[in-house]
Amino acid sequence: GDSVTQMEGPVTLSEEAFLTINCTYTATGYPSLFWYVQYPGEGLQLLLKATKADDKGSNKGFEATYRKETTSFHLEKGSVQVSDSAVYFCALSASGAGSYQLTFGKGTKLSVIP
Amino acid sequence: ETGVTQTPRHLVMGMTNKKSLKCEQHLGHNAMYWYKQSAKKPLELMFVYSLEERVENNSVPSRFSPECPNSSHLFLHLHTLQPEDSALYLCASSQGFSPSYEQYFGPGTRLTVT
Repeated sequence: GDSVTQMEGPVTLSEEAFLTINCTYTATGYPSLFWYVQYPGEGLQLLLKATKADDKGSNKGFEATYRKETTSFHLEKGSVQVSDSAVYFCALSASGAGSYQLTFGKGTKLSVIP
Repeated sequence: ETGVTQTPRHLVMGMTNKKSLKCEQHLGHNAMYWYKQSAKKPLELMFVYSLEERVENNSVPSRFSPECPNSSHLFLHLHTLQPEDSALYLCASSQGFSPSYEQYFGPGTRLTVT
């Protein structure tokens, strides 16, 4: 079945550091790929998405590129802020029937210190 | 109220109790979802409703009983739960069934079974 593997956390960075959170996936066909963010005490929010190979999703300074050849969708940000401290989830939605189903990774907790 | 709301935010119950979780969406969506978020595990999709009809039940034990009386409300009735059912239960909604439709999540109900 479909699966998502993301790097284990927690990740602790200083403010203005560069962030990379790795995400790889296994799926048949051509899935859509997502990054969700969960701030403390809140539900998940969609951060960015990409629906086909080589697409780049971007939002709030975060970027991720859909790499079909490496089945990856790594999240990057050039300069993190304390307000970026949260748990980040990589997810995929398979193509075809049941495409509403999101398969999530386990999440990576990011802590940014001043 | 806007978005997706969930009540209660925290719930402690004994294994012989009966309780219900409530979700309400104010977005005019016609699909609603229940997810279970356990520590160190990926989010698990439990139930999906479309236009008040259940379209997905991911092998969830019968001690969890969903109810969708209308397109804005979703309940999860709980009875004779086990300690391993302790988790964060998230509700989500979307405009329809497609990866292009973002799922909007509520803040969750933190359930502890004693």
